[in-house]
Amino acid sequence: DGGITQSPKYLFRKEGQNVTLSCEQNLNHDAMYWYRQDPGQGLRLIYYSQIVNDFQKGDIAEGYSVSREKKESFPLTVTSAQKNPTAFYLCASSVGQVMNTEAFFGQGTRLTVV
Amino acid sequence: KNEVEQSPQNLTAQEGEFITINCSYSVGISALHWLQQHPGGGIVSLFMLSSGKKKHGRLIATINIQEKHSSLHITASHPRDSAVYICAANRDDKIIFGKGTRLHILP
Repeated sequence: DGGITQSPKYLFRKEGQNVTLSCEQNLNHDAMYWYRQDPGQGLRLIYYSQIVNDFQKGDIAEGYSVSREKKESFPLTVTSAQKNPTAFYLCASSVGQVMNTEAFFGQGTRLTVV
Repeated sequence: KNEVEQSPQNLTAQEGEFITINCSYSVGISALHWLQQHPGGGIVSLFMLSSGKKKHGRLIATINIQEKHSSLHITASHPRDSAVYICAANRDDKIIFGKGTRLHILP
């Protein structure tokens, strides 16, 4: 079955450590996105990539980094520079640019920094 | 003020009731999504529409471009419909998300 896989589902890290969240898709989608969700707020865009080896900052990119070396994979690193990293992180993908295409979402990773 | 506003924020209803969740947006958009997020957190896309009406099973989504308004209806609601429903609008090369409506259907 085609879809988006995020791993792990739950992640705990000590303050000051970098952590990388995995996102893999086998839908042959060009575009991939990372969102952050906090209680009582809508999803906010961290980074997005519309093609391999290219990515752009979203609205809240500070303290995060990404790479897009393969079409299927778009890992997100939460660095120690991110002041409030505890959150729910969602990865999404779409066929082409976001405009007029359906987006598919992963199951999310809940990151807790202690 | 958010560019995408949903109402109500929370909704509790009895099984079998007809449910309506509203979404208003203040910007020009190319399409609008309705998403469902279950307690585990994963999100499923229910509808993507740019005009008119779409139906899938007990779910119906409508959009009025002139009024910048969309509704999601659930007929014969069931406890398994309990989830957070999120409205999201395509604008330029981004999606703008509403804060979601938490729906709880009582048996």
